[in-house]
Amino acid sequence: DIQMTQSPSSLSASVGDRVTLTCRASQSITTYLNWYQQKPGKAPKLLIYGASSLQSGVPSRFSGSGSGTDFTLTISSLQPEDFATYYCQQSFNTPRTFGRGTKVEVK
Amino acid sequence: QVQLVESGGGVVQPGRSLRLSCAASGFTFSIYPMHWVRQAPGKGLEWVAVISNDGSKKYYADSVKGRFTISRDNSKNTMFLQMNSLRPEDTAVYYCVRESSGYFIFDYWGQGTLVTVSS
Repeated sequence: DIQMTQSPSSLSASVGDRVTLTCRASQSITTYLNWYQQKPGKAPKLLIYGASSLQSGVPSRFSGSGSGTDFTLTISSLQPEDFATYYCQQSFNTPRTFGRGTKVEVK
Repeated sequence: QVQLVESGGGVVQPGRSLRLSCAASGFTFSIYPMHWVRQAPGKGLEWVAVISNDGSKKYYADSVKGRFTISRDNSKNTMFLQMNSLRPEDTAVYYCVRESSGYFIFDYWGQGTLVTVSS
């Protein structure tokens, strides 16, 4: 199984900050990397797919990059509604493993 | 609009069984692979199982293999998860998820149904 490692596990930031989250795969997944946002009590929401493609309706302050084993999710200017937990997931093969998540908290 | 509505969750004793359902609407159910993903209280997301669009292929996480069975009825736009020999560690919110082609993304999720395994 492909292991997905996210860092940090949590971070504190302020509104307007630029935030970068990282995700590493245990083997190459080319660009089969997706990012999801989850708020408490809600289902996850797809943000980025194919490592860098923005899902329809997602604000342009979210961006993704990377290929192979190393990936990043960047929020260019953190907004109040962005405080949440973010998960990366590989869709290169089955099982479709997730990272353990990065919780973005208010500083 | 696309809707996925799970049902069937509840409290069950260890060793017993439970059957979850996922009713789909707003899209052509029969052309999409479907998944179950779960989330234990306060924990991360765990992929559970997938079924191909026509039901011919099924894959499971090692943690549920041999105990859970995924199925679907395309005539009723419904997917199921039969859970047998339940364990306390199966306690979680179970999400029904649609997979879209291209990058095999999980583009629509249900609201989830809570399964609690406890004596």
